[in-house]
Amino acid sequence: AQSVTQPDIHITVSEGASLELRCNYSYGATPYLFWYVQSPGQGLQLLLKYFSGDTLVQGIKGFEAEFKRSQSSFNLRKPSVHWSDAAEYFCAVGAYNAGNMLTFGGGTRLMVKP
Amino acid sequence: GAGVSQSPSNKVTEKGKDVELRCDPISGHTALYWYRQSLGQGLEFLIYFQGNSAPDKSGLPSDRFSAERTGGSVSTLTIQRTQQEDSAVYLCASSRSTTLFNSPLHFGNGTRLTVT
Repeated sequence: AQSVTQPDIHITVSEGASLELRCNYSYGATPYLFWYVQSPGQGLQLLLKYFSGDTLVQGIKGFEAEFKRSQSSFNLRKPSVHWSDAAEYFCAVGAYNAGNMLTFGGGTRLMVKP
Repeated sequence: GAGVSQSPSNKVTEKGKDVELRCDPISGHTALYWYRQSLGQGLEFLIYFQGNSAPDKSGLPSDRFSAERTGGSVSTLTIQRTQQEDSAVYLCASSRSTTLFNSPLHFGNGTRLTVT
């Protein structure tokens, strides 16, 4: 069965600083990987996804993520954080033979200092 | 168009009572998922409906939990004899395609359940 680990429960960065949120997965084959963001009082919104091909994927709101098979990682990055990026971020892995089910990590709560 | 709608947005109930949570998926979406998000935890898969196929109930934590989907649209998650550990945000999501990866999940805002 697949699993996802987000090692950082909380991260605080200053506005304008760069950001990297870590995600490690466990799955026996090529996974399908996703990042979702949950802003206060709102539902989860898909930021980006990786299925195959180019290992660097671009998403909405200036986010990108890089798939590294050798490290079983799919870290989320943003070069310059805005105060509105404060939210909880979830990494998820899916697999075709898992019944189209997504397995989510525990989430990373991002706080942005002015 | 309208997104996934969940009701109620908040529910407070006494231990031992039954509760029903409702999800209205996006029109035309054939797949519907229920997840549970406990405080400080990630999202825990509960159940998955795809069209008229038998649902995948593998994530339901106990036989107190059940769900149905009528007419391939609205879904109701029922928790019987609620316990304090059932307190969580219950999220519903839907997607258009039979293949998850061709169509992303669209989540509702959730129902926050508090069992006192």
